[in-house]
Amino acid sequence: AQSVTQLGSHVSVSEGALVLLRCNYSSSVPPYLFWYVQYPNQGLQLLLKYTSAATLVKGINGFEAEFKKSETSFHLTKPSAHMSDAAEYFCAVRMDSGSRLTFGEGTQLTVNP
Amino acid sequence: ETGVTQTPRHLVMGMTNKKSLKCEQHLGHNAMYWYKQSAKKPLELMFVYNFKEQTENNSVPSRFSPECPNSSHLFLHLHTLQPEDSALYLCASSQVPPLTPGYNSPLHFGNGTRLTVT
Repeated sequence: AQSVTQLGSHVSVSEGALVLLRCNYSSSVPPYLFWYVQYPNQGLQLLLKYTSAATLVKGINGFEAEFKKSETSFHLTKPSAHMSDAAEYFCAVRMDSGSRLTFGEGTQLTVNP
Repeated sequence: ETGVTQTPRHLVMGMTNKKSLKCEQHLGHNAMYWYKQSAKKPLELMFVYNFKEQTENNSVPSRFSPECPNSSHLFLHLHTLQPEDSALYLCASSQVPPLTPGYNSPLHFGNGTRLTVT
């Protein structure tokens, strides 16, 4: 079975500060991992995905995530937060290429001026 | 500009009404999904269609009836809903993976239909 846990349902940072959103997964096999972002009144948009080609994955809008097998983590980071980054972020895991995508419960990011 | 279009964006309906949600994808994908997103709850997968065939129904009440006439269109027919069915309904599409190890197709989402049942 696969599952994903996002630590912290709400994260608040100041504009220009580091953004760190945590995601831990459980999977019996090397997983496929994704981060999605959802802006108000919109659907989910893919930020980045882990494809096993490299452990550090760069996505859109300056976000990146690092796959750490030893920690079963796939945390999302951005060096400097912007007001436009305020949104809800979802981590998702898939055990193999044909299985269902399992989403975490989401982390609401607030960026303060 | 999303490749997945959902209509209507907002819908208010009474418990005795019948309405339908529509989803269309322009990405050439062959799998389509309905998700329900309620406040303070995780995303709930409702239905999955691969190549127009329903492959998953996650114990969804029969008052929700999906229809997939072709790989580009997906409908969700609604009938005698309850107030607790009020939520954001999201459609998504993806490419059913070929038998290639490492293939990793993400889901592409529409902007959703905000449904309010009164």
